[in-house]
Amino acid sequence: AQSVTQLGSHVSVSEGALVLLRCNYSSSVPPYLFWYVQYPNQGLQLLLKYTSAATLVKGINDFEAEFKKSETSFHLTKPSAHMSDAAEYFCAVSPSGANSKLTFGKGITLSVRP
Amino acid sequence: EPEVTQTPSHQVTQMGQEVILRCVPISNHLYFYWYRQILGQKVEFLVSFYNNEISEKSEIFDDQFSVERPDGSNFTLKIRSTKLEDSAMYFCASGRPGAGATYEQYFGPGTRLTVT
Repeated sequence: AQSVTQLGSHVSVSEGALVLLRCNYSSSVPPYLFWYVQYPNQGLQLLLKYTSAATLVKGINDFEAEFKKSETSFHLTKPSAHMSDAAEYFCAVSPSGANSKLTFGKGITLSVRP
Repeated sequence: EPEVTQTPSHQVTQMGQEVILRCVPISNHLYFYWYRQILGQKVEFLVSFYNNEISEKSEIFDDQFSVERPDGSNFTLKIRSTKLEDSAMYFCASGRPGAGATYEQYFGPGTRLTVT
């Protein structure tokens, strides 16, 4: 079985500051890992994914995440926050294999202060 | 860019009524999913559908729920007799195998279902 833990429900950063959103996973098989973003009144948009290739994954809008098996983590970072990054971010895991169901974390709301 | 669409965006219904939530997946996708998110809770998997049959379902997806792909474009979720606890945002997603898009599920904007 797979599960995802996203600690905290809200992160606030200043514009231009580093963004760090934490995700830890539990999986009985090699996992695939994803970060999705949800802007207000919109669906879930894929930011990036880890599918057993490079452990440092780059996504859209300068986000990246690093898969650390020893720490069972897949934290999301962005060097410099922009006001438009304010949204809800979800980490998700699936068993390796195409098109398996996603198991989501509870999400983290990112606020960006001017 | 192709996208998953869902209708309606908001549905209000009375307890015990049947509702059908509609989704139009991306046209060349072969795998279809429904997820839901109760307010303040996690996004939860309901069901996946491939080759005109359910490939996996969660314990939430009981006999009150059914899915159908009635034609080549639509994918529907039916709730036969709605309960208050069915109030949630329902997301449809689709995906397809292939080197470029494998393992990605593309989500629609969701239908907010309110049961009164």
